[in-house]
Amino acid sequence: DAKTTQPNSMESNEEEPVHLPCNHSTISGTDYIHWYRQLPSQGPEYVIHGLTSNVNNRMASLAIAEDRKSSTLILHRATLRDAAVYYCILRGRNNAGNMLTFGGGTRLMVKP
Amino acid sequence: SAVISQKPSRDICQRGTSLTIQCQVDSQVTMMFWYRQQPGQSLTLIATANQGSEATYESGFVIDKFPISRPNLTFSTLTVSNMSPEDSSIYLCSVSALNEQFFGPGTRLTVL
Repeated sequence: DAKTTQPNSMESNEEEPVHLPCNHSTISGTDYIHWYRQLPSQGPEYVIHGLTSNVNNRMASLAIAEDRKSSTLILHRATLRDAAVYYCILRGRNNAGNMLTFGGGTRLMVKP
Repeated sequence: SAVISQKPSRDICQRGTSLTIQCQVDSQVTMMFWYRQQPGQSLTLIATANQGSEATYESGFVIDKFPISRPNLTFSTLTVSNMSPEDSSIYLCSVSALNEQFFGPGTRLTVL
């Protein structure tokens, strides 16, 4: 699976939107973009994934650049509970069902 | 979705001893994995636990150190053998289903 690059950490104020960037310049045409987050003292949990079009769910939105070399996870209103490490991961369509390979992720801190 | 439980949730062990971690899933799954998360680090895949055959280990991990059992489609164990302080980590069980990967809460191991 191709590599992703994320900032080590970001800060946000509570109830403000948060944009978490991810660069994946070597993405292949069959790679899906997945986001997971790991809350303190818990295992990672799925947030969202997409291929080409922007995606929305109850947790977040995923904005994918037209050339697919970057994406942004958007939390519309950050809460204290959103403080976590967010991982951007590429998963090949042919690897569906196989394991995820984790990079360093972005540690999001939310200030009250 | 899949709900995963792990036992024990945490343990403190003496060097040279071994600890077996259990992972139980609430549904039958084909793909089951074991990850390690060292303090302050991201997750690293140890191995894929295969039902009915030997586990598939990632580079840097060997069966003698991390023997794995997978007797059926809902259960697996990971043993950390002949422990040293460098084995102090969180060990996470994970399963893959459709487009999502699910993680257990982890086992926090401290080796003195």
